Amino acid sequence: DAKTTQPNSMESNEEEPVHLPCNHSTISGTDYIHWYRQLPSQGPEYVIHGLTSNVNNRMASLAIAEDRKSSTLILHRATLRDAAVYYCILRDPPFRTSYGKLTFGQGTILTVHP
Amino acid sequence: NAGVTQTPKFRVLKTGQSMTLLCAQDMNHEYMYWYRQDPGMGLRLIHYSVGEGTTAKGEVPDGYNVSRLKKQNFLLGLESAAPSQTSVYFCASSYSRTQGVIYEQYFGPGTRLTVT
Repeated sequence: DAKTTQPNSMESNEEEPVHLPCNHSTISGTDYIHWYRQLPSQGPEYVIHGLTSNVNNRMASLAIAEDRKSSTLILHRATLRDAAVYYCILRDPPFRTSYGKLTFGQGTILTVHP
Repeated sequence: NAGVTQTPKFRVLKTGQSMTLLCAQDMNHEYMYWYRQDPGMGLRLIHYSVGEGTTAKGEVPDGYNVSRLKKQNFLLGLESAAPSQTSVYFCASSYSRTQGVIYEQYFGPGTRLTVT
């Protein structure tokens, strides 16, 4: 499985934008980029995913580099409730027989200051 | 919808004891997964199931068994608990390729297990 590299921790102030980077230099042409987050004492939750184009949803935006070797999760206005561990994960495309397995790294611990 | 639920929430076992963790989902998902999370680490896949009656090994299957007798339930068993199995266990479920594009796993709240 292709690996991802994320900073161990980042800090932000409330209501400011947050850019969480992820490097994945060995990504294959068909790997999807997924982001999950884990709030304290909870199970992970899906945030967003993309393949080549930038993506937006109600939670965040995902900016993918043109060469796909890196991506950035953007939280437009951080709130205290966004304090969590954020995981960047590469997944096989649906036509592969990996049955949607997720391989988690250590993620980035995001601290949001009031 | 309750989503993914796990029973129990907490458990303390003595070394050598056995127990079963129950995961239930009400979203008609085909795929179900069991992960464990140790302090300061990401989740690791123990076993998974792609449908009723089928199971497969994940990354760290030793010391665990699983069963999927009903589509909505996925059981994780520890036959002889060891201190190394002290961890937080998460269950997850997702749609299959035949149900739709696999892109999101839904996770339960976790079971905190301590083996002394």
